[in-house]
Amino acid sequence: SAVISQKPSRDICQRGTSLTIQCQVDSQVTMMFWYRQQPGQSLTLIATANQGSEATYESGFVIDKFPISRPNLTFSTLTVSNMSPEDSSIYLCSVVRSGNHEQYFGPGTRLTVT
Amino acid sequence: AQSVTQLDSHVSVSEGTPVLLRCNYSSSYSPSLFWYVQHPNKGLQLLLKYTSAATLVKGINGFEAEFKKSETSFHLTKPSAHMSDAAEYFCVVGFQKLVFGTGTRLLVSP
Repeated sequence: SAVISQKPSRDICQRGTSLTIQCQVDSQVTMMFWYRQQPGQSLTLIATANQGSEATYESGFVIDKFPISRPNLTFSTLTVSNMSPEDSSIYLCSVVRSGNHEQYFGPGTRLTVT
Repeated sequence: AQSVTQLDSHVSVSEGTPVLLRCNYSSSYSPSLFWYVQHPNKGLQLLLKYTSAATLVKGINGFEAEFKKSETSFHLTKPSAHMSDAAEYFCVVGFQKLVFGTGTRLLVSP
């Protein structure tokens, strides 16, 4: 498995501001992803965080709104920009190790936008 | 494209009775399938995975699932429910980029 931490664990933010969420893994992983879980709903993939290059975004998500960095093989950040109440969700990072089909999830960051 | 359909949004059982959570999948090629569990205010935990090996997959906490290609199903079962099994269960398909089902909330009564 993998030990994944996220900071902050929760936050309450005002609309129009931005929040950066950090994801740290205890060892090197090949793939890192960011998901969103809106209240009472399932998870949706936002993007693949690529080490040393631009993230790959899924349909409906854009870099200007959700800029992502991955400077090395154990760390990534997701920024939620110009927030609105509709961005209130749990944001989760996940990782996959080389040669492993299993994907492990961080504890999530619960974001509330007022 | 790949997708999963969880046929029940809620399932209620009594403690000690069997659990069945239903999932159908759609995939144009041999899929990787997973079941994850999410307890209230807790993170996601992998219960089990199917990756084209044995069709009957055993997971943690007494859960198992059977891959049936002819029925495009991957139902999750447990012989005897425990109170601690009450949680949200997600059927998931994909390789690296995961597609989640809408979830099934399992309620366990004493």
